[in-house]
Amino acid sequence: EADIYQTPRYLVIGTGKKITLECSQTMGHDKMYWYQQDPGMELHLIHYSYGVNSTEKGDLSSESTVSRIRTEHFPLTLESARPSHTSQYLCASSPKNEQYFGPGTRLTVT
Amino acid sequence: DQQVKQNSPSLSVQEGRISILNCDYTNSMFDYFLWYKKYPAEGPTFLISISSIKDKNEDGRFTVFLNKSAKHLSLHIVPSQPGDSAVYFCAASASFTGANSKLTFGKGITLSVRP
Repeated sequence: EADIYQTPRYLVIGTGKKITLECSQTMGHDKMYWYQQDPGMELHLIHYSYGVNSTEKGDLSSESTVSRIRTEHFPLTLESARPSHTSQYLCASSPKNEQYFGPGTRLTVT
Repeated sequence: DQQVKQNSPSLSVQEGRISILNCDYTNSMFDYFLWYKKYPAEGPTFLISISSIKDKNEDGRFTVFLNKSAKHLSLHIVPSQPGDSAVYFCAASASFTGANSKLTFGKGITLSVRP
């Protein structure tokens, strides 16, 4: 099982602020993912990476951006937060097929 | 258009009895299926998976059954315990052996196990 960490766990921030959600994993997995999930809804893939310097947009359009400069680190950035960005953000990594998730960041934009 | 459907939003069972959680899919290319368990304010935890070359996979109290012709899978939990109360997500992938292992998730089923 992967050790995968996300910070912060909870974030309340005002409209227009720039934020970065951190995600790190210690298992050396090449594949990493970001999902957005609202209560009662499915997880929506917003970004993924299959290795260093590789990033792709997911199935759900998102105004966020990601980077993958190191294998273990996959941060997500919102340049200007809006109330519509309020959601839970889940990071995952994968050695092959199973994905292992971090604890998530609950973001509230006021 | 949802490709992975969990049509029952909730299920309540008595402790010690069997819980059966259902999942249907529409994409014939899906060949690998997973179940995740999620507590509030936490990330999903991987439970069990099955590839399309099998019709059953068992791990302790958890068994997943796959019916490819019906495009249906189910997760059986027996015996159910109060700690099993959580949201259960079904997920599917279209490339078991390939690099593009993106998962498509259902909306989840909330399982409540009554003491």
